[in-house]
Amino acid sequence: KQEVTQIPAALSVPEGENLVLNCSFTDSAIYNLQWFRQDPGKGLTSLLLIQSSQREQTSGRLNASLDKSSGRSTLYIAASQPGDSATYLCASYSGAGSYQLTFGKGTKLSVIP
Amino acid sequence: NAGVTQTPKFRILKIGQSMTLQCTQDMNHNYMYWYRQDPGMGLKLIYYSVGAGITDKGEVPNGYNVSRSTTEDFPLRLELAAPSQTSVYFCASRPSGATEAFFGQGTRLTVV
Repeated sequence: KQEVTQIPAALSVPEGENLVLNCSFTDSAIYNLQWFRQDPGKGLTSLLLIQSSQREQTSGRLNASLDKSSGRSTLYIAASQPGDSATYLCASYSGAGSYQLTFGKGTKLSVIP
Repeated sequence: NAGVTQTPKFRILKIGQSMTLQCTQDMNHNYMYWYRQDPGMGLKLIYYSVGAGITDKGEVPNGYNVSRSTTEDFPLRLELAAPSQTSVYFCASRPSGATEAFFGQGTRLTVV
């Protein structure tokens, strides 16, 4: 059974700092990995999807990497802003065909002005 | 540009009551999912469907039922609501293949 862990559970940084959020998974036979953002009381917004054949994916100030052999993914946020404050979730795709998403518990990010 | 729509957004149920959480998507996606999210926990899969007429259990299916009569709709039925079902419920959909999943805004359910 796939297990996904996100460390740290919470992170507080001053505005402008670059930061890295970590995601690890136990079963390296994943297909894809997806990063989401969740604002309080809201749904999940997809940030980046990394295909299993890719090593990284970029969107604006966000860069996500995937290392299947070590069972790790990282989300790098450059020049953090107060608007980046949210909970960030990673989810792995496993189970051929149905591709069920297994979620970590998330990292709650606070960017202090 | 509706995407995945869930109704209602909020609901309070009494113990033993039943209700249906609605989920509809307008993207013609084959795959649809129901998750629940409890405070401090990750999302857990309740049921999923790979197409109209086909459903299967996820990690936490007890106390729930689903149906998929059309591609667009995937309702989640709670029978005999219990306090343990107090949670936020999310519906998601995606196309075939290991592709990007899209989520609804969630339904916050409280059972008292």
